[in-house]
Amino acid sequence: EVQILETGGGLVKPGGSLRLSCATSGFNFNDYFMNWVRQAPGKGLEWVAQIRNKNYNYATYYAESLEGRVTISRDDSKSSVYLQVSSLRAEDTAIYYCTRRVGMDAWGQGASVTV
Amino acid sequence: DIQMTQSPSFLSATVGDRVTINCKASQNINKYLNWYQQKLGEAPKRLIYNTNSLQTGIPSRFSGSGSGTDYTLTISSLQPEDVATYFCLQHNSGPGTFGAGTKLELK
Repeated sequence: EVQILETGGGLVKPGGSLRLSCATSGFNFNDYFMNWVRQAPGKGLEWVAQIRNKNYNYATYYAESLEGRVTISRDDSKSSVYLQVSSLRAEDTAIYYCTRRVGMDAWGQGASVTV
Repeated sequence: DIQMTQSPSFLSATVGDRVTINCKASQNINKYLNWYQQKLGEAPKRLIYNTNSLQTGIPSRFSGSGSGTDYTLTISSLQPEDVATYFCLQHNSGPGTFGAGTKLELK
């Protein structure tokens, strides 16, 4: 069974930073692209970042609205992906989801970040 | 980037009704269109991928259709457990963009 679990959310002061972690199991993590998607309270879904697999040289992509403040990374040995967010603002308050593949077929339950 | 326009934003229907939700892309997305259901307090769940392929375990009352820029999610006979917000996602180009969502309630 595919499992995705985000951790690292919490209450952060404006200007602060946060590192979210996403631990996965139940599939060959090395083969997949991974994403972070966020959802502000009562709002829709916003793609944040993507990291590709080794075959694509771990290429990374970021939403323009966040570029320069976010860094996505992965550790294939731990089947995990990470999101570092800095210079946090009130509008970064959201649930941050970790998702699998470009087609986003599997999602974690999300990590809540309040700025 | 491709923009997705989803309609309606709110929908009220009766149990047993046929319900349709639409997404229009700003350019051809070659049927790379997924539909998600999000119940209150839960993560989104994929219902349909690549326009019309039903995710394993999803009831057959859910179906998808479309091509080019226009796509539709249909619930053939609305059930009480279908109350949720529904989102589309295009993954043809770039990182993928979501529709704004349709909140479906029971009348």
